Amino acid sequence: NAGVTQTPKFQVLKTGQSMTLQCAQDMNHEYMSWYRQDPGMGLRLIHYSVGAGITDQGEVPNGYNVSRSTTEDFPLRLLSAAPSQTSVYFCASRIRDRGRNEQFFGPGTRLTVL
Amino acid sequence: ILNVEQSPQSLHVQEGDSTNFTCSFPSSNFYALHWYRWETAKSPEALFVMTLNGDEKKKGRISATLNTKEGYSYLYIKGSQPEDSATYLCAFMSPEAAGNKLTFGGGTRVLVKP
Repeated sequence: NAGVTQTPKFQVLKTGQSMTLQCAQDMNHEYMSWYRQDPGMGLRLIHYSVGAGITDQGEVPNGYNVSRSTTEDFPLRLLSAAPSQTSVYFCASRIRDRGRNEQFFGPGTRLTVL
Repeated sequence: ILNVEQSPQSLHVQEGDSTNFTCSFPSSNFYALHWYRWETAKSPEALFVMTLNGDEKKKGRISATLNTKEGYSYLYIKGSQPEDSATYLCAFMSPEAAGNKLTFGGGTRVLVKP
């Protein structure tokens, strides 16, 4: 199993540009989520999905869209990049089971918005 | 908004010394408490998933205890080694968590000095 994969690993955008961060998992996990990690802020939940066709907002959803057309893929779209979205983004997945099983994280995408 | 707090935020440990730190969470309702180890430039990896009051888990020199009635978990590192340097995250899930979301604490950053 490849686990959770993310692309790209690094990205530089100009303010106003849009882009999609890709996330895929091959473990047949129902639950997938996107976090951003900023210094001193820990991991903050952006959006999550409990299965194909179902998404919902986390703590910091503004400026991001997600979709879940398949169990495997959960892309994160930045609609119009802003410097405040400079961060490291992690995708994660796990079985939806009331927290009885661990969450698996992707390697992260480091995004800089100029 | 669930309040999950970790203390201290950071600590320095001399190689060979033992240390411990705390994760506090709401005691009113409980599903699960996770611990993750997060090395610099890598993604978080699960250490323990704890679900029952009084749970004690161990992996090598690292162990954790859980008290759901008073709302805290301790992580212990025995005989710290430089490779234990990392940020340790706890994450909490309650029955009220929509979509079975995990709420992460801010982390305890551990630096083991040779």
